[in-house]
Amino acid sequence: QQPVQSPQAVILREGEDAVINCSSSKALYSVHWYRQKHGEAPVFLMILLKGGEQMRHEKISASFNEKKQQSSLYLTASQLSYSGTYFCGTGLQGAQKLVFGQGTRLTINP
Amino acid sequence: NAGVTQTPKFRVLKTGQSMTLLCAQDMNHEYMYWYRQDPGMGLRLIHYSVGEGTTAKGEVPDGYNVSRLKKQNFLLGLESAAPSQTSVYFCASSYASGGPQGEQFFGPGTRLTVL
Repeated sequence: QQPVQSPQAVILREGEDAVINCSSSKALYSVHWYRQKHGEAPVFLMILLKGGEQMRHEKISASFNEKKQQSSLYLTASQLSYSGTYFCGTGLQGAQKLVFGQGTRLTINP
Repeated sequence: NAGVTQTPKFRVLKTGQSMTLLCAQDMNHEYMYWYRQDPGMGLRLIHYSVGEGTTAKGEVPDGYNVSRLKKQNFLLGLESAAPSQTSVYFCASSYASGGPQGEQFFGPGTRLTVL
């Protein structure tokens, strides 16, 4: 079942913070985060594993709440280069594939 | 290294025509995936392969077939194209050491329009 991302879209000014959430109804083993710029391929940001630590990529960090089956992506002091669509991909224990959310479009204005 | 490449980049088909999309990777990755991306739908898995000679169905396999005869190549076939298959198709691959849920590397995509 496809994970649900919220919000669907967010508009920020440069330097502001944002949080993107990814929720699943199933017990997750892993959560991936990818960023896709318009007309380009998705690019990997980070993986969070069950029982693992909070991860960080530059000024972007993420957490995984195993009890709630939810992951959150935190973008701190956003930069213009952070604009794009963010996808979470979720994996179940023993699964051979990921299921991606519908995406969150992030727009950063000067 | 070229990474993950896809051929062709763009294609326009008429309803009922057939075509094959080619995905190639030079990273010796074990796992390969085909996704389609439609507005507001995210990435949906069509078929995937966990190794040479193996394939499996994903979330939306109907109307597509795949083959993985060589480890580095993963082919996606449309036998009789329909307008509903108009989409952007992405191929991805990942390391065996990362497991099937490891980091995925995506190709640049193929934009397909079916008239």
